[in-house]
Amino acid sequence: GENVEQHPSTLSVQEGDSAVIKCTYSDSASNYFPWYKQELGKRPQLIIDIRSNVGEKKDQRIAVTLNKTAKHFSLHITETQPEDSAVYFCAASIRGGYSTLTFGKGTMLLVSP
Amino acid sequence: DSGVTQTPKHLITATGQRVTLRCSPRSGDLSVYWYQQSLDQGLQFLIQYYNGEERAKGNILERFSAQQFPDLHSELNLSSLELGDSALYFCASSRGSGGGADTQYFGPGTRLTVL
Repeated sequence: GENVEQHPSTLSVQEGDSAVIKCTYSDSASNYFPWYKQELGKRPQLIIDIRSNVGEKKDQRIAVTLNKTAKHFSLHITETQPEDSAVYFCAASIRGGYSTLTFGKGTMLLVSP
Repeated sequence: DSGVTQTPKHLITATGQRVTLRCSPRSGDLSVYWYQQSLDQGLQFLIQYYNGEERAKGNILERFSAQQFPDLHSELNLSSLELGDSALYFCASSRGSGGGADTQYFGPGTRLTVL
């Protein structure tokens, strides 16, 4: 089955800096890659996703890039703010069929004022 | 608010007991997914139901079972509870049956503590 590795496990940045979280996946058939943000004690919330027919997607300060050849994808957050502090999870799946989401183990992002 | 509801919010019980967690999906969503989240294991997929039928199975123990009812709400039953079952249990829902590629919206979770 699919295996998703996520790095780093923790990331500390200063407010205004950029943050990058990287994930690698094992199944070359995977073609859907969502990112979820989970604040302490709250539900995971989808913040951005990308499908394999595009290499990059942006939404304001958040962007995701995908390299299908290398089987890795990354989340980029620019101009970080304290409210960006949370645990971020990447995931991968195959569109259609009986595929389910396989999650990485998460990255705790701490943004210091 | 994602539109997915879960009850109860917290549950404290003893080893060997049985509990039932409940989930109501967003209006119009046909799929329900159950996940277990513990500190050392991240988000682990347990099981998916689509329109009342089991669709996909993940790392669900034999002591655990689930079902989806005609009104599309779902219940996760955990029996012969062990200390290691203490975790956050999330339900998510999605519009179709497309498994992982169907955008999933998570409920607020049920925190289970087994003493």
